[in-house]
Amino acid sequence: GNSVTQMEGPVTLSEEAFLTINCTYTATGYPSLFWYVQYPGEGLQLLLKATKADDKGSNKGFEATYRKETTSFHLEKGSVQVSDSAVYFCALSSSPGSARQLTFGSGTQLTVLP
Amino acid sequence: DAGVIQSPRHEVTEMGQEVTLRCKPISGHDYLFWYRQTMMRGLELLIYFNNNVPIDDSGMPEDRFSAKMPNASFSTLKIQPSEPRDSAVYFCASSGEGQGAEAFFGQGTRLTVV
Repeated sequence: GNSVTQMEGPVTLSEEAFLTINCTYTATGYPSLFWYVQYPGEGLQLLLKATKADDKGSNKGFEATYRKETTSFHLEKGSVQVSDSAVYFCALSSSPGSARQLTFGSGTQLTVLP
Repeated sequence: DAGVIQSPRHEVTEMGQEVTLRCKPISGHDYLFWYRQTMMRGLELLIYFNNNVPIDDSGMPEDRFSAKMPNASFSTLKIQPSEPRDSAVYFCASSGEGQGAEAFFGQGTRLTVV
């Protein structure tokens, strides 16, 4: 079956530091890949996505590249802000036949200190 | 559209009582997902529907849990009888067709069973 493995947290950084959160996946076929973010007390919301190999998703300074050869979708940001403090989830979606599989990683808590 | 709407936002109930969580998906979305989030187990998929039909309920923890989707604009997750270990945040999400379609999450229902 499908699975997503992401970097264990928590991660604590100073403002303006560089961020990488690693994500690797196992899936059959050609899944779509997502990063979701969850702020305290809220539901998950889409941060960025990529639907095919070598696609780069980007949003709000975050980016991730769909690497099929390494089955990875690492999240990066060049300069984090205090407002980026949240939990980040890597996810994949595949549609074998009429089914729909939406699989999430365990989440990585990010805290950015001023 | 107002997004995915869940009610109630918070629910406190006594062990043994019946609990019903409600969800209104985004209009036009074909898929509806119910997730449970806890510190210990992270985000778990309980069940999902396609065009109001349950497709995969393998994540439902036991017979005390049941879910229905009587029409395209409403779904319920019922726990009867509830137990303290059911305490968690329950999320509903909906998405359109295609594996590249993102899932939109509600703000969740925080359930506490005492």
